[in-house]
Amino acid sequence: DVKVTQSSRYLVKRTGEKVFLECVQDMDHENMFWYRQDPGLGLRLIYFSYDVKMKEKGDIPEGYSVSREKKERFSLILESASTNQTSMYLCASSRDSGYNEKLFFGSGTQLSVL
Amino acid sequence: RKEVEQDPGPFNVPEGATVAFNCTYSNSASQSFFWYRQDCRKEPKLLMSVYSSGNEDGRFTAQLNRASQYISLLIRDSKLSDSATYLCVGRDGNKLVFGAGTILRVKS
Repeated sequence: DVKVTQSSRYLVKRTGEKVFLECVQDMDHENMFWYRQDPGLGLRLIYFSYDVKMKEKGDIPEGYSVSREKKERFSLILESASTNQTSMYLCASSRDSGYNEKLFFGSGTQLSVL
Repeated sequence: RKEVEQDPGPFNVPEGATVAFNCTYSNSASQSFFWYRQDCRKEPKLLMSVYSSGNEDGRFTAQLNRASQYISLLIRDSKLSDSATYLCVGRDGNKLVFGAGTILRVKS
């Protein structure tokens, strides 16, 4: 079974800190995604990547950057954390961009910025 | 207007009931649709894809109405274990767009 692993389940950071969220998948998937989930807003796409060293902005990229140096790893970076970035962050991967592409999610990182 | 909209609920139903959720989408060019299930404090998981011809999987039936731009999910003979948040998802080019979810609570 596909496994998507996020490095931390809960994280507490201070305003202005640089934050790294790590995600690793073990099924050689081409595509990886970072979403944030907030009550009443659903999942919103931050960044995604279809290949190593490739990245594309999602719907809400401001304040975030990403890194994909290896196929299995996709990192989300908050350059200077702010309180409005307190959220649940979900990483996902998929095999291809086909019509019925299935996303596999990690268990999420609940980030609190104080 | 949000691209994918759902009634947040909660829908409170007794065991054995039939319950239906609708989801509307604004982008008529959306190419495919899905229902994901998310349990409390867990990650979303694919429940089923939605085809123009409809899709049935056991007690679950999904329908797509392109003319009215909505997707539906019907759950028959509800079980306690069906309690979860159901996320409607539309595919727009390279992106999957998620609705905010509908909460279902099945009670004994």
